Amino acid sequence: DIQMTQSPSSLSASVGDRVTITCRASQSISIWLAWYQQKPGKAPKLLIYKASTLESGVPSRFSGSGSGTEFTLTITSLQPDDFATYYCQQYNSFSTATFGQGTQVELK
Amino acid sequence: QVQLQESGPGLVKASETLSLTCSVSSDSIRDNYWSWIRKSAGRGLEWIGHIYSSGSTNYNPSLKSRVTMSVDTSKNQFSLNLTSVTAADTAIYYCARDDSGGYRYFDSWGQGTLVIVSS
Repeated sequence: DIQMTQSPSSLSASVGDRVTITCRASQSISIWLAWYQQKPGKAPKLLIYKASTLESGVPSRFSGSGSGTEFTLTITSLQPDDFATYYCQQYNSFSTATFGQGTQVELK
Repeated sequence: QVQLQESGPGLVKASETLSLTCSVSSDSIRDNYWSWIRKSAGRGLEWIGHIYSSGSTNYNPSLKSRVTMSVDTSKNQFSLNLTSVTAADTAIYYCARDDSGGYRYFDSWGQGTLVIVSS
């Protein structure tokens, strides 16, 4: 399986901050990467797919970039609704879909 | 807006079979892949496998020997059976819809159902 490693595991930030989360794949996955947001007691919500394509309805303060083995999720101006856990997931067609361990974004 | 809802026992005895059903509404189950994913404290989010409306399946190799998925297009439902469960199978189980283009990311999820394996 392709292993996905996120960093940091958690971070503290304030409303209005710019936040960046990194996801690294154990081998190249081209652009086959998705990002999800999960809040306690809720299902994950798709934010971004194909590394940088914003899912319909997701605010434009979320953006994704990267290719190959290194990817980032950026929130340009953190809002109160954004405090949550974020997961990356690779979906390379020749491999089992796998997720990162998650990054918890907390209020400073 | 598609809606997915998991149902099934919340408590399963060790060595027995875990069985869950996902009911899909506001979308046809036809012509798409549908997945089961679980989240546990020890393993995080783990893709279990998916099934196409025709009945074709792909399973995570780590679970393949114990997993069976089925689909009932007349009821707009699909199901998961996981045999010989242990405490390690205690998790929140989600059903989800794969991207309609055939890519294995998930654009709609059920709310999840907690399954505890008891000894």
